[in-house]
Amino acid sequence: GQQLNQSPQSMFIQEGEDVSMNCTSSSIFNTWLWYKQDPGEGPVLLIALYKAGELTSNGRLTAQFGITRKDSFLNISASIPSDVGIYFCAGRNFGNEKLTFGTGTRLTIIP
Amino acid sequence: DADVTQTPRNRITKTGKRIMLECSQTKGHDRMYWYRQDPGLGLRLIYYSFDVKDINKGEISDGYSVSRQAQAKFSLSLESAIPNQTALYFCATSDPGQETEAFFGQGTRLTVV
Repeated sequence: GQQLNQSPQSMFIQEGEDVSMNCTSSSIFNTWLWYKQDPGEGPVLLIALYKAGELTSNGRLTAQFGITRKDSFLNISASIPSDVGIYFCAGRNFGNEKLTFGTGTRLTIIP
Repeated sequence: DADVTQTPRNRITKTGKRIMLECSQTKGHDRMYWYRQDPGLGLRLIYYSFDVKDINKGEISDGYSVSRQAQAKFSLSLESAIPNQTALYFCATSDPGQETEAFFGQGTRLTVV
């Protein structure tokens, strides 16, 4: 089955640093979603993107729907301890009812 | 109370045993899904259902079966558990009106020994 390539796989940063991660696909998507999974919990939706080129923010988080429709980016500014977790991208193709998930980026904040 | 509830939260079972994971939701959504999460592989779809009489295989359905007993309930069964089915399992729901959002349960950690 198709999976999205998400990078980096893991990040170790200091509190206050900015974070960038991305997701790429071999096929076009008409929707991109970004989720965060806290330890011991299920993923929670952070940002949804519906148009190529769209840039959407949610507090310190900003995500972009790539112009080619084959990629998406998530940035976190001024990281704080509660940002720790696994971030997943997910995409949906035209005419497909199901989401395809990325492999996840694990974010760790170094004291 | 959680909108999507999974039981049990943790389970250890022996190889060859039959086990059922249950999911119930109070969101009133028609669409329900079962995913499996393994380290480094993200979330992979096992089965999904768009209404009570609709069952569809996902990308990794072998070794699993499901039952949609009601709009609010969707259970996943492992007929004869094997060790490589050790994973974290998530149930999710979505609303066709919103299409793209999926709401996840808290997960069931299954260990097959």
